[in-house]
Amino acid sequence: GAVVSQHPSWVICKSGTSVKIECRSLDFQATTMFWYRQFPKQSLMLMATSNEGSKATYEQGVEKDKFLINHASLTLSTLTVTSAHPEDSSFYICSASDQSAAYEQYFGPGTRLTVT
Amino acid sequence: AQKVTQAQTEISVVEKEDVTLDCVYETRDTTYYLFWYKQPPSGELVFLIRRNSFDEQNEISGRYSWNFQKSTSSFNFTITASQVVDSAVYFCALSPPYGQNFVFGPGTRLSVLP
Repeated sequence: GAVVSQHPSWVICKSGTSVKIECRSLDFQATTMFWYRQFPKQSLMLMATSNEGSKATYEQGVEKDKFLINHASLTLSTLTVTSAHPEDSSFYICSASDQSAAYEQYFGPGTRLTVT
Repeated sequence: AQKVTQAQTEISVVEKEDVTLDCVYETRDTTYYLFWYKQPPSGELVFLIRRNSFDEQNEISGRYSWNFQKSTSSFNFTITASQVVDSAVYFCALSPPYGQNFVFGPGTRLSVLP
């Protein structure tokens, strides 16, 4: 089956710094990728939709200047958390849609971000 | 608006018991997909099933079975003869067609005790 990878799998950063998370579709092209955030003991909530070659669409309440999304190629989307704060500590999961396979979606393994 | 409800926040069963996880959804779409995912402590989502809204046939896969009832907007998941390894959080999710985002339910934390 199709595989989506995320890098890093976990990261610890200091408050005020920025951190970049990569989401890659390894064996298919993804014109659309999605970024979700999951706080401890909560469900996954959509943050933004990433479209290759265009600006991302953010959900209400998600600061686009804080969570920068870039989808520069058909296999890579990046999420940069800028000026991270402890409240940004969360589990970030991406998914990618395979247009050639009836838009089947595949989830990455997630990235655990801890901001100290 | 789309919504998924999983009324059971936590369930504890003893090994070998059967357990059913409930899922009720809301959508105005006539075509949609329903999913179940398992999330073990590692956090990675494990795909269990995808069901098209036009396919109401129940499905069985080993100890897992799913009951899709469009009339009640429910898509329940049953684990037969539960095992300790089944302990995880289970999410029901809804998606429109054509590669759009998922709407997840709040999840049900299942603990299977030895």
